[in-house]
Amino acid sequence: GESVGLHLPTLSVQEGDNSIINCAYSNSASDYFIWYKQESGKGPQFIIDIRSNMDKRQGQRVTVLLNKTVKHLSLQIAATQPGDSAVYFCAEIPIIQGAQKLVFGQGTRLTINP
Amino acid sequence: DTEVTQTPKHLVMGMTNKKSLKCEQHMGHRAMYWYKQKAKKPPELMFVYSYEKLSINESVPSRFSPECPNSSLLNLHLHALQPEDSALYLCASSQPGRGRSGGYTFGSGTRLTVV
Repeated sequence: GESVGLHLPTLSVQEGDNSIINCAYSNSASDYFIWYKQESGKGPQFIIDIRSNMDKRQGQRVTVLLNKTVKHLSLQIAATQPGDSAVYFCAEIPIIQGAQKLVFGQGTRLTINP
Repeated sequence: DTEVTQTPKHLVMGMTNKKSLKCEQHMGHRAMYWYKQKAKKPPELMFVYSYEKLSINESVPSRFSPECPNSSLLNLHLHALQPEDSALYLCASSQPGRGRSGGYTFGSGTRLTVV
């Protein structure tokens, strides 16, 4: 069935270091992947997305890597800041005729230590 | 306007009450969604509306009743809820169809407590 999961539920890094959050997905038919950031008391906030015809996409301080061979997605955050502390979810949109269905992974809590 | 607005932010209701959650967006999005999020868990899809028509119901109990009065508004009517229905209810919107990028835009949610 559909499932998007994460290898580590928590991650702590020192301020200024780079962080990598990983995600494994099982639906090989998915063609669109998104990373969301959720801070306490807020809804998920879009960070970056990638389509299955790409293997890398860069944004401001963030990079998403997609390895379709092993169905693995990662989010790299460069030069982490205290404001990066949040729960990060990967999500996928499986190909379903006539509708969109965003499926979330389990999430990783990222803590930036000063 | 690039926001999804949800009201109320917090709601406490008894198991015999009837209440409604409201969601509004003015981005011209024609797909709207309700998600339920329990503590320390990812959001779980409940309903999808596409062009104001219900397109996905994820086997949600009938005590949750969605409504999409127009392209900007989405309601979730609640009746005879159980304490286990306490959660954060998130509304989101997007452009329908697979060619769009940018993901979904989420509101901040309604924190519901059923007593």
